[in-house]
Amino acid sequence: QQPVQSPQAVILREGEDAVINCSSSKALYSVHWYRQKHGEAPVFLMILLKGGEQKGHDKISASFNEKKQQSSLYLTASQLSYSGTYFCGTGGKGAQKLVFGQGTRLTINP
Amino acid sequence: EAQVTQNPRYLITVTGKKLTVTCSQNMNHEYMSWYRQDPGLGLRQIYYSMNVEVTDKGDVPEGYKVSRKEKRNFPLILESPSPNQTSLYFCASSFTRQGNGYTFGSGTRLTVV
Repeated sequence: QQPVQSPQAVILREGEDAVINCSSSKALYSVHWYRQKHGEAPVFLMILLKGGEQKGHDKISASFNEKKQQSSLYLTASQLSYSGTYFCGTGGKGAQKLVFGQGTRLTINP
Repeated sequence: EAQVTQNPRYLITVTGKKLTVTCSQNMNHEYMSWYRQDPGLGLRQIYYSMNVEVTDKGDVPEGYKVSRKEKRNFPLILESPSPNQTSLYFCASSFTRQGNGYTFGSGTRLTVV
């Protein structure tokens, strides 16, 4: 079953922060985050494994709450280059098979 | 350069005419997968393969076939395409061990008329 992402779309001004949520009805062992720009392939951002860890690079970070079966992606001081559609992909135990959410479209305006 | 190569990028075909979309990776990845992307539905998995000669159905396998005879190649076959298979298709690959992200191909936009 597909994880549910929220919000479906968000519009920000450059420099503002954004949070994208990903919730699953199934137990999670891994959560992937990808960004897709219009007309391009999805690009891997980061992966979180079971353990409630938080990861990040630059101004993009993510958390994983396995008890709540959800993950959140945090984008701070957003830049124009952050625009695109963000997908979470959730994985079950011991498998690389991912089920992706429906995506969150992020628009950053100057 | 490490990459996943899909061909063709664009394809327009007629209903019922068999076609194959090729996917090749040069990273020695065990895991390969096909997704279709439709507006508002995100990426839905068609088939995946954990290694050579090991394939399994994803969430939307009807009307598609795959094969994995070599590690680097994972072609997607539409034996009798129909208009509802008009979509954007992505091939992806990864190492099997959990903790590795997917590398996606550039996509194939298929139109069936």
